[in-house]
Amino acid sequence: GENVEQHPSTLSVQEGDSAVIKCTYSDSASNYFPWYKQELGKRPQLIIDIRSNVGEKKDQRIAVTLNKTAKHFSLHITETQPEDSAVYFCAASKSAGNKLTFGGGTRVLVKP
Amino acid sequence: NAGVTQTPKFQVLKTGQSMTLQCAQDMNHNSMYWYRQDPGMGLRLIYYSASEGTTDKGEVPNGYNVSRLNKREFSLRLESAAPSQTSVYFCASSEAFYEQYFGPGTRLTVT
Repeated sequence: GENVEQHPSTLSVQEGDSAVIKCTYSDSASNYFPWYKQELGKRPQLIIDIRSNVGEKKDQRIAVTLNKTAKHFSLHITETQPEDSAVYFCAASKSAGNKLTFGGGTRVLVKP
Repeated sequence: NAGVTQTPKFQVLKTGQSMTLQCAQDMNHNSMYWYRQDPGMGLRLIYYSASEGTTDKGEVPNGYNVSRLNKREFSLRLESAAPSQTSVYFCASSEAFYEQYFGPGTRLTVT
Protein backbone atom coordinates (compact mmCIF):
# COMPACT_ATOMS: atom_id res chain seq x y z
CA GLY A 1 0.00 0.00 0.00
CA GLU A 2 0.87 3.67 -0.02
CA ASN A 3 3.49 4.95 2.41
CA VAL A 4 3.89 8.65 3.21
CA GLU A 5 6.89 9.98 5.09
CA GLN A 6 7.00 13.50 6.50
CA HIS A 7 9.96 15.61 7.69
CA PRO A 8 10.83 17.21 9.98
CA SER A 9 8.82 15.94 12.92
CA THR A 10 9.27 19.26 14.74
CA LEU A 11 10.06 22.72 13.42
CA SER A 12 10.71 25.86 15.40
CA VAL A 13 10.85 29.21 13.56
CA GLN A 14 10.93 32.88 14.48
CA GLU A 15 7.84 34.90 13.71
CA GLY A 16 8.14 36.30 10.20
CA ASP A 17 10.43 33.55 8.95
CA SER A 18 9.41 30.83 6.49
CA ALA A 19 8.63 27.21 7.31
CA VAL A 20 9.00 24.28 4.92
CA ILE A 21 7.65 20.76 5.47
CA LYS A 22 8.47 17.93 3.09
CA CYS A 23 6.68 14.67 2.30
CA THR A 24 7.51 11.72 0.09
CA TYR A 25 5.10 9.07 -1.14
CA SER A 26 5.68 5.59 -2.51
CA ASP A 27 2.81 4.89 -4.92
CA SER A 28 3.24 6.62 -8.28
CA ALA A 29 -0.50 6.22 -8.89
CA SER A 30 -1.33 8.72 -6.10
CA ASN A 31 -2.85 11.86 -7.57
CA TYR A 32 -4.33 13.93 -4.74
CA PHE A 33 -2.22 15.53 -1.99
CA PRO A 34 -3.93 17.50 0.79
CA TRP A 35 -2.39 19.26 3.77
CA TYR A 36 -4.20 19.44 7.10
CA LYS A 37 -3.60 21.67 10.11
CA GLN A 38 -4.51 20.41 13.57
CA GLU A 39 -4.49 22.74 16.54
CA LEU A 40 -4.15 21.27 20.02
CA GLY A 41 -7.27 19.31 20.98
CA LYS A 42 -9.05 20.15 17.72
CA ARG A 43 -9.97 18.28 14.56
CA PRO A 44 -7.73 18.31 11.44
CA GLN A 45 -8.75 20.96 8.91
CA LEU A 46 -7.73 21.22 5.27
CA ILE A 47 -5.51 24.21 4.51
CA ILE A 48 -4.50 23.49 0.93
CA ASP A 49 -4.45 20.62 -1.55
CA ILE A 50 -2.88 19.86 -4.92
CA ARG A 51 -3.66 17.41 -7.67
CA SER A 52 -1.14 15.63 -9.85
CA ASN A 53 -1.87 17.73 -12.93
CA VAL A 54 -0.57 20.85 -11.14
CA GLY A 55 3.01 21.57 -10.02
CA GLU A 56 2.36 24.41 -7.59
CA LYS A 57 -0.54 26.06 -5.82
CA LYS A 58 -0.67 29.16 -3.62
CA ASP A 59 -3.18 30.55 -1.18
CA GLN A 60 -2.02 33.77 0.48
CA ARG A 61 0.93 32.81 2.76
CA ILE A 62 0.69 29.10 2.01
CA ALA A 63 2.00 27.27 -1.04
CA VAL A 64 2.39 23.63 -1.98
CA THR A 65 4.71 22.19 -4.63
CA LEU A 66 4.58 18.74 -6.19
CA ASN A 67 7.33 16.82 -7.97
CA LYS A 68 5.72 13.70 -9.45
CA THR A 69 8.98 12.36 -10.85
CA ALA A 70 10.65 12.39 -7.45
CA LYS A 71 7.39 11.54 -5.66
CA HIS A 72 7.60 14.34 -3.16
CA PHE A 73 5.58 17.40 -2.23
CA SER A 74 6.21 20.28 0.13
CA LEU A 75 4.29 22.86 2.16
CA HIS A 76 5.70 26.38 2.36
CA ILE A 77 4.45 28.92 4.90
CA THR A 78 5.81 32.44 4.50
CA GLU A 79 5.78 35.29 7.04
CA THR A 80 4.89 32.90 9.85
CA GLN A 81 2.66 34.13 12.67
CA PRO A 82 2.06 32.70 16.16
CA GLU A 83 -1.33 31.39 15.03
CA ASP A 84 0.50 29.14 12.54
CA SER A 85 1.69 27.07 15.52
CA ALA A 86 0.03 23.65 15.14
CA VAL A 87 0.64 20.13 13.85
CA TYR A 88 0.60 19.84 10.07
CA PHE A 89 -0.14 16.59 8.24
CA CYS A 90 0.43 15.72 4.61
CA ALA A 91 -1.53 12.95 2.92
CA ALA A 92 -1.80 11.14 -0.40
CA SER A 93 -4.66 9.43 -2.19
CA LYS A 94 -5.23 7.54 -5.41
CA SER A 95 -8.56 5.77 -5.10
CA ALA A 96 -12.02 6.83 -6.15
CA GLY A 97 -13.05 6.44 -2.52
CA ASN A 98 -10.53 9.16 -1.62
CA LYS A 99 -8.82 6.91 0.92
CA LEU A 100 -6.04 9.03 2.43
CA THR A 101 -2.69 7.85 3.76
CA PHE A 102 -1.26 10.39 6.21
CA GLY A 103 2.29 11.30 7.06
CA GLY A 104 3.38 11.27 10.69
CA GLY A 105 2.92 15.02 11.21
CA THR A 106 5.13 18.06 11.85
CA ARG A 107 4.77 20.08 15.01
CA VAL A 108 5.42 23.73 14.09
CA LEU A 109 6.20 26.30 16.79
CA VAL A 110 6.35 29.95 15.80
CA LYS A 111 8.21 31.97 18.42
CA PRO A 112 7.19 35.62 18.77
CA ASN B 1 -25.44 22.82 8.97
CA ALA B 2 -23.56 20.86 11.68
CA GLY B 3 -21.06 19.14 9.33
CA VAL B 4 -19.74 15.94 10.90
CA THR B 5 -20.85 15.08 14.43
CA GLN B 6 -19.57 12.32 16.72
CA THR B 7 -20.81 10.85 19.97
CA PRO B 8 -19.65 10.43 22.65
CA LYS B 9 -16.87 13.03 23.13
CA PHE B 10 -15.15 11.03 25.86
CA GLN B 11 -15.42 7.40 26.99
CA VAL B 12 -13.64 5.20 29.49
CA LEU B 13 -13.98 1.43 29.10
CA LYS B 14 -12.64 -1.54 30.98
CA THR B 15 -10.80 -4.23 29.05
CA GLY B 16 -13.29 -6.57 27.41
CA GLN B 17 -16.20 -4.12 27.33
CA SER B 18 -17.88 -3.21 24.07
CA MET B 19 -19.08 0.08 22.71
CA THR B 20 -20.21 1.82 19.52
CA LEU B 21 -18.97 5.20 18.34
CA GLN B 22 -21.54 7.11 16.35
CA CYS B 23 -20.89 9.45 13.43
CA ALA B 24 -23.30 11.46 11.30
CA GLN B 25 -22.87 14.00 8.50
CA ASP B 26 -25.37 16.40 6.96
CA MET B 27 -23.42 17.32 3.81
CA ASN B 28 -24.90 14.55 1.65
CA HIS B 29 -21.44 13.03 1.16
CA ASN B 30 -21.10 9.56 -0.31
CA SER B 31 -17.85 8.59 1.43
CA MET B 32 -17.23 8.23 5.16
CA TYR B 33 -14.17 7.17 7.15
CA TRP B 34 -12.97 6.19 10.60
CA TYR B 35 -9.44 7.06 11.73
CA ARG B 36 -7.53 6.65 14.94
CA GLN B 37 -4.87 9.07 16.16
CA ASP B 38 -2.37 7.96 18.76
CA PRO B 39 -0.23 10.49 20.67
CA GLY B 40 2.44 12.06 18.49
CA MET B 41 1.33 10.10 15.45
CA GLY B 42 -0.58 10.70 12.29
CA LEU B 43 -4.06 9.47 11.47
CA ARG B 44 -4.46 5.84 10.53
CA LEU B 45 -7.48 4.63 8.58
CA ILE B 46 -9.49 1.92 10.32
CA TYR B 47 -12.42 1.43 7.92
CA TYR B 48 -14.07 3.43 5.21
CA SER B 49 -17.28 3.43 3.21
CA ALA B 50 -17.01 4.70 -0.35
CA SER B 51 -20.80 4.78 -0.70
CA GLU B 52 -23.93 3.72 1.11
CA GLY B 53 -24.04 -0.06 1.41
CA THR B 54 -20.29 -0.63 1.07
CA THR B 55 -17.50 -0.84 3.64
CA ASP B 56 -13.82 -1.70 3.30
CA LYS B 57 -10.88 -2.25 5.61
CA GLY B 58 -8.24 0.38 6.02
CA GLU B 59 -4.76 0.16 7.48
CA VAL B 60 -5.65 -0.98 11.03
CA PRO B 61 -9.04 -2.81 11.02
CA ASN B 62 -8.33 -5.54 13.58
CA GLY B 63 -10.59 -5.36 16.64
CA TYR B 64 -13.17 -3.11 14.97
CA ASN B 65 -16.37 -3.45 12.98
CA VAL B 66 -18.37 -0.82 11.12
CA SER B 67 -21.89 -0.26 9.87
CA ARG B 68 -22.96 2.22 7.22
CA LEU B 69 -26.49 2.60 8.53
CA ASN B 70 -27.59 4.98 5.78
CA LYS B 71 -26.01 7.77 3.76
CA ARG B 72 -25.74 10.01 6.83
CA GLU B 73 -24.49 7.61 9.50
CA PHE B 74 -21.38 5.45 9.90
CA SER B 75 -20.75 3.69 13.21
CA LEU B 76 -17.63 2.03 14.62
CA ARG B 77 -17.91 -0.84 17.08
CA LEU B 78 -15.35 -2.24 19.47
CA GLU B 79 -16.53 -5.72 20.44
CA SER B 80 -13.97 -6.40 23.17
CA ALA B 81 -11.93 -3.33 24.03
CA ALA B 82 -8.20 -3.64 24.69
CA PRO B 83 -5.75 -1.08 26.16
CA SER B 84 -4.09 -0.88 22.72
CA GLN B 85 -7.31 0.72 21.46
CA THR B 86 -6.84 3.75 23.70
CA SER B 87 -6.77 6.58 21.18
CA VAL B 88 -8.63 9.53 19.71
CA TYR B 89 -11.09 8.44 17.04
CA PHE B 90 -12.05 10.73 14.19
CA CYS B 91 -14.85 10.26 11.72
CA ALA B 92 -14.69 12.06 8.37
CA SER B 93 -16.77 12.41 5.23
CA SER B 94 -16.16 13.58 1.67
CA GLU B 95 -17.11 13.43 -1.92
CA ALA B 96 -14.56 11.48 -3.98
CA PHE B 97 -11.36 13.46 -4.58
CA TYR B 98 -12.53 16.41 -2.56
CA GLU B 99 -11.79 17.62 0.94
CA GLN B 100 -12.40 15.28 3.84
CA TYR B 101 -14.29 16.98 6.67
CA PHE B 102 -13.51 15.69 10.13
CA GLY B 103 -15.70 15.38 13.18
CA PRO B 104 -14.59 16.68 16.61
CA GLY B 105 -13.25 13.30 17.72
CA THR B 106 -13.92 10.81 20.52
CA ARG B 107 -11.27 10.37 23.19
CA LEU B 108 -11.36 6.72 24.28
CA THR B 109 -9.44 5.28 27.21
CA VAL B 110 -9.38 1.53 27.85
CA THR B 111 -8.14 0.50 31.30
